[in-house]
Amino acid sequence: DVKVTQSSRYLVKRTGEKVFLECVQDMDHENMFWYRQDPGLGLRLIYFSYDVKMKEKGDIPEGYSVSREKKERFSLILESASTNQTSMYLCASSLGEGYTFGSGTRLTVV
Amino acid sequence: QQQVKQSPQSLIVQKGGISIINCAYENTAFDYFPWYQQFPGKGPALLIAIRPDVSEKKEGRFTISFNKSAKQFSLHIMDSQPGDSATYFCAASNFNKFYFGSGTKLNVKP
Repeated sequence: DVKVTQSSRYLVKRTGEKVFLECVQDMDHENMFWYRQDPGLGLRLIYFSYDVKMKEKGDIPEGYSVSREKKERFSLILESASTNQTSMYLCASSLGEGYTFGSGTRLTVV
Repeated sequence: QQQVKQSPQSLIVQKGGISIINCAYENTAFDYFPWYQQFPGKGPALLIAIRPDVSEKKEGRFTISFNKSAKQFSLHIMDSQPGDSATYFCAASNFNKFYFGSGTKLNVKP
């Protein structure tokens, strides 16, 4: 089975901090995605990548950036964390149809 | 603008009953329609999926009904069990990019 591992389950950060969320997949998938999940809003796409060094903005990229230096690793960066970025962050990877999601990182910005 | 609209937001069903969750979409370019199941503390997992060239797909107790002309699709869970209690997300995709509904929290009472 494909495994998508997110490095932290829970994070608490202060307003203004730079935050790194790490995601690693072990099945050589080309495509990787970052979503945030908020009650009543479902999953919203932040950034995605179809190849190493490639990145594309999703629907809500403001306040975020990403890095994909290696195929298996896709990092989400909050340049200057704000309280409205408190959320559940989900990483996913795919080869074609269907995503495999990680277990998520619940980030609280205080 | 939400690409995929999902209802209801929450659903309570008695054990053995039928759970029905509905989704609607606008973009006729979507060509893949998966449903994801998410348990607390876990990432969403692919449950069942359909392509628009068929009107129904069944896997065990789970059935997707698809109405291309109405641009609607639904998930039916037959003989619902307490273990089915979870949040369900519909999604639609084209070119590997997924759009998710807002989610339905299902509670199956014993």
